[in-house]
Amino acid sequence: GAGVSQSPRYKVAKRGQDVALRCDPISGHVSLFWYQQALGQGPEFLTYFQNEAQLDKSGLPSDRFFAERPEGSVSTLKIQRTQQEDSAVYLCASSLGEGRAFFGQGTRLTVV
Amino acid sequence: AQKITQTQPGMFVQEKEAVTLDCTYDTSDPSYGLFWYKQPSSGEMIFLIYQGSYDQQNATEGRYSLNFQKARKSANLVISASQLGDSAMYFCAMREPGNQFYFGTGTSLTVIP
Repeated sequence: GAGVSQSPRYKVAKRGQDVALRCDPISGHVSLFWYQQALGQGPEFLTYFQNEAQLDKSGLPSDRFFAERPEGSVSTLKIQRTQQEDSAVYLCASSLGEGRAFFGQGTRLTVV
Repeated sequence: AQKITQTQPGMFVQEKEAVTLDCTYDTSDPSYGLFWYKQPSSGEMIFLIYQGSYDQQNATEGRYSLNFQKARKSANLVISASQLGDSAMYFCAMREPGNQFYFGTGTSLTVIP
């Protein structure tokens, strides 16, 4: 596709359930970013990949959060044992070099 | 210290008027990029404008211009001739080479008919 694709668009999880969020970046984009956005707030950094290498995971809030990009294209953000405070929109973005970030539509996660 | 500061949680502007959204940034890297994004209620992040730290001229894209004052570490967004469709959240962001994008807390702009 032409843009960054995220799936699912919406996810409702019961507290304690594991979830996996997928991001398909723009083909050829080396950098991939995951952000968490709470309602009415700015995007908060989670993690950053350059190709398959995870260069920065300092924003992951706990060891329940894990991200991977094994072949340097598609990325998955996994959240284990979801908690209510994990409810947010998860944004994925990709970029070519040091240019602008192209964002996906986001996955809205609701933990009940 | 915050990398990006947006001090205006909410702004109102009359249709067809110009509005300035403030952004200050903090970095010690001489090379960086500054970005503005628009996020309407639909949630998508729409890129508006980019300014490189070495760019001599202020960036412009249609009705958007970036008032870049490097010494003051300021990168204000100016929207001219506001339209109803400009009502949205606006985020300022900065990226240092090889690093993440840092975002501000955003400004909610409402255009009044």
